[in-house]
Amino acid sequence: QKEVEQNSGPLSVPEGAIASLNCTYSDRVSQSFFWYRQYSGKSPELIMSIYSNGDKEDGRFTAQLNKASQYVSLLIRDSQPSDSATYLCAVILSSGSARQLTFGSGTQLTVLP
Amino acid sequence: EAGVVQSPRYKIIEKKQPVAFWCNPISGHNTLYWYRQNLGQGPELLIRYENEEAVDDSQLPKDRFSAERLKGVDSTLKIQPAELGDSAVYLCASSLGQGVWETQYFGPGTRLLVL
Repeated sequence: QKEVEQNSGPLSVPEGAIASLNCTYSDRVSQSFFWYRQYSGKSPELIMSIYSNGDKEDGRFTAQLNKASQYVSLLIRDSQPSDSATYLCAVILSSGSARQLTFGSGTQLTVLP
Repeated sequence: EAGVVQSPRYKIIEKKQPVAFWCNPISGHNTLYWYRQNLGQGPELLIRYENEEAVDDSQLPKDRFSAERLKGVDSTLKIQPAELGDSAVYLCASSLGQGVWETQYFGPGTRLLVL
């Protein structure tokens, strides 16, 4: 079982719709969760971080965290073609004596004009 | 403010050859990370430096990979000898503080192809 799991997609939504991206993680004691956006051929860029249960909103983006279910999601409202990218969920997990930022495989999102 | 700088951007080598990647982090950033990203996967941590000390190298294949961060600023990642499976994008990232929860800023990456 992967430590951070995402649906690989591709996920296609029409312009203006809500895109919903999901992520589950294996470590019950994880406290820090991140969403990165990666355009094709580019490097990852942080778009959201969330540390507490519930919702966190930033513009058109809302991150949702449920630690009991070990589930974190990202909603993108009013999706635009420029949102087309791969979205990487990242969680700080324990690895031996260290903690590491561990990424999922990403969900490829396409917003259709 | 300049971002994380990496060179070269692309490298094509034959298997068994050595290769080196260079990274200059954002000015003032104490923590530097090297990641490897295979096609269709998320980045995987290879090594993390806090200043000049390697504090997490548990996933660095030490038989062929080495890294250094002399003077706690720029860093070099080396592979010797390279294998076909090393073909990937090598990403460098940096963060201001020393906690793993600090925002990491990624460089453009070095795309390596081993033939």
